[in-house]
Amino acid sequence: EAGVTQSPTHLIKTRGQQATLRCSPISGHTSVYWYQQALGLGLQFLLWYDEGEERNRGNFPPRFSGRQFPNYSSELNVNALELEDSALYLCASRPGTASYEQYFGPGTRLTVT
Amino acid sequence: DAKTTQPNSMESNEEEPVHLPCNHSTISGTDYIHWYRQLPSQGPEYVIHGLTSNVNNRMASLAIAEDRKSSTLILHRATLRDAAVYYCILTGDAGNNRKLIWGLGTSLAVNP
Repeated sequence: EAGVTQSPTHLIKTRGQQATLRCSPISGHTSVYWYQQALGLGLQFLLWYDEGEERNRGNFPPRFSGRQFPNYSSELNVNALELEDSALYLCASRPGTASYEQYFGPGTRLTVT
Repeated sequence: DAKTTQPNSMESNEEEPVHLPCNHSTISGTDYIHWYRQLPSQGPEYVIHGLTSNVNNRMASLAIAEDRKSSTLILHRATLRDAAVYYCILTGDAGNNRKLIWGLGTSLAVNP
C-alpha cells in the first residue's frame, strides 16, 4: 500500500511569491492534515480537511490556505511568502474521523530567500 | 487546548528499557493521549494512543496515571532504530475537530 506522498520534495521561492504544495493521502483516507515544522519548533497545526471541507484551522494568517479535491488529495497555498515561512511542511492523512492514527508524508522543504 | 510537557532529551543503551515521561496536567476527560515519533529526515509516525487504561502494541506500551495527568511511553528493548524525537500529544475524540498541539518532544539517543 502506498503511503502519503508529497510534492515537491524541495521548493525554493523568493519573498513575496506564492508557493503551492501538494499531498496525496493513502488510498481510502478522507482526512488530510497540514503541519508546519520550522527549525527549532515543534509541529504547528495548519489545516484539517475532511470529505472536501475545511474542518479546522490553526493560528496562521489567511495567506495560508488550501483545499481538498474530490479524490481527497490536497493542496496547500502560501501567498506573499515571508522569510519565516521557510520550514518543512508535513501532510498527514487519516482513514476518517472514526480513526485515531495519522499517517505522515515525508514533507516538502520550503525555503524562502 | 491542553498542553503536554516532556523532557527535551533522554539517553538509553541498546537493548535496555526506556521510559519516556509526559505531563498533561490540564487534560480534559475526553482527551486521548497519543504518542508519535519522528526519525531523522522523516515525517512522524504513530506509536500508540490511549484514554484511561494502559495499552500495549507491537511497538511500545503506554502507562497512564490514574488521574490521567501524566503518562509514560515504554520501549521494552531499545534499538538503534528507536533513536528519534518522541511527541506526546492530546487529541479530542476521533470525531472532534480539535486543534492538535505538538510540543518539541523528547529527543531519544540510543547508545550501542
